[in-house]
Amino acid sequence: QVQLKESGPGLVQPSETLSLTCTVSGFSLTSYGVNWVRQPPGKGLEWMGTIWNDGSTDYNSALKSRLSISRDTSKSQVFLKMNSLQTEDTAIYLCARGTTEGIGGYFDYWGQGVMVTVSS
Amino acid sequence: DIRMTQSPASLSASLGETVNIECLASEDIYSDLAWYQQKPGKSPQLLIYNANSLQNGVPSRFSGSGSGTQYSLKINSLQSEDVATYFCQQYNNYPPTFGGGTKLELK
Repeated sequence: QVQLKESGPGLVQPSETLSLTCTVSGFSLTSYGVNWVRQPPGKGLEWMGTIWNDGSTDYNSALKSRLSISRDTSKSQVFLKMNSLQTEDTAIYLCARGTTEGIGGYFDYWGQGVMVTVSS
Repeated sequence: DIRMTQSPASLSASLGETVNIECLASEDIYSDLAWYQQKPGKSPQLLIYNANSLQNGVPSRFSGSGSGTQYSLKINSLQSEDVATYFCQQYNNYPPTFGGGTKLELK
């Protein structure tokens, strides 16, 4: 069955770089895109970016200067790197499989999420 | 960016009751709308896509409707397992954007 699982450090120092991995199973990264979405504690959802099935990427303009999404199809892994982290980047980071409906697509399967705290 | 405004922000209802949650888009999104359910401590789960299509495995008491800028999620015969926060999301234009959420509790 389709599964996504995020992994990465739970604590990041301010101004440092966040690196997260989303490991997927049950589908191919060359057939589906994968999105990163984040959720500050007790708040709503913010789409961060997408890596499409062809390897191209799209980013939220608010994060574009700090964000990079890449993948390793042989390992079924998608990577997120975001630099210059601040306390307001504290959030649960989730990866989600995307669809090609509309322009941005909706998200039919989600990982469990990983809590990232930005603090010294 | 397209702004998605959900109402109400919170809702208390009794078992067996019918519940309606509204989502208003800042511009026409041509039914490119999804609804998600997020239970406490869990990740979101897709309920509805294309405004009114039920995702596989979702109980039929959930339904979606709407067009243009106004959409709604209806839950018939509320069950205890429906206690959750519900989000709408538009995918008609970049970036995909979410509503602020509606927290549903039991009365």
